Amino acid sequence: GAGVSQSPSNKVTEKGKDVELRCDPISGHTALYWYRQSLGQGLEFLIYFQGNSAPDKSGLPSDRFSAERTGGSVSTLTIQRTQQEDSAVYLCASSPPIGEQYFGPGTRLTVT
Amino acid sequence: AQSVTQLDSQVPVFEEAPVELRCNYSSSVSVYLFWYVQYPNQGLQLLLKYLSGSTLVKGINGFEAEFNKSQTSFHLRKPSVHISDTAEYFCAVSDLGRDDKIIFGKGTRLHILP
Repeated sequence: GAGVSQSPSNKVTEKGKDVELRCDPISGHTALYWYRQSLGQGLEFLIYFQGNSAPDKSGLPSDRFSAERTGGSVSTLTIQRTQQEDSAVYLCASSPPIGEQYFGPGTRLTVT
Repeated sequence: AQSVTQLDSQVPVFEEAPVELRCNYSSSVSVYLFWYVQYPNQGLQLLLKYLSGSTLVKGINGFEAEFNKSQTSFHLRKPSVHISDTAEYFCAVSDLGRDDKIIFGKGTRLHILP
């Protein structure tokens, strides 16, 4: 079946502009995660959605970052007033109630 | 809160030598445990997982890991590494007693020396 998809695969934006990153999880997966990975670094947790529960936003680095998950499926990560330090690969993952995460290919964001 | 510790940020190993990558997590009643691998310029893929049953788990590419509840560890091992094993390895834990969120360690970079 289809895996986790993310769009766009690459995004170049100017400093100060807003960007939206999209994640389509695997159908039926109740959990959805967003991570950030800077060059040569580990995974930085951003936000976690689990079913109808309130999302865990504890990893969002600033109030410029927000995310929503509509209808328990597609998720959008929004970064307002982008800064150069926001440049990274943004990864989305989904998981069923029991089991591992399945990762998308990521969106490479470059802020110039 | 649950935490995952990968003590070694980098591990150099000669080709065909054995390797162990260490992972410890903070104590909890019930956990699921995972190892993921990220090859250079690629995405993350699951190497192996422990959900229940046998504490010795075998994964892809000859890797295995052992769940040790008393030591709260889930170390990854391979008896003989190859150049193709050069990658970043991430340990992850899901705490079933809390919100089931999967927490990742900071990763261990495995360097295979010729």
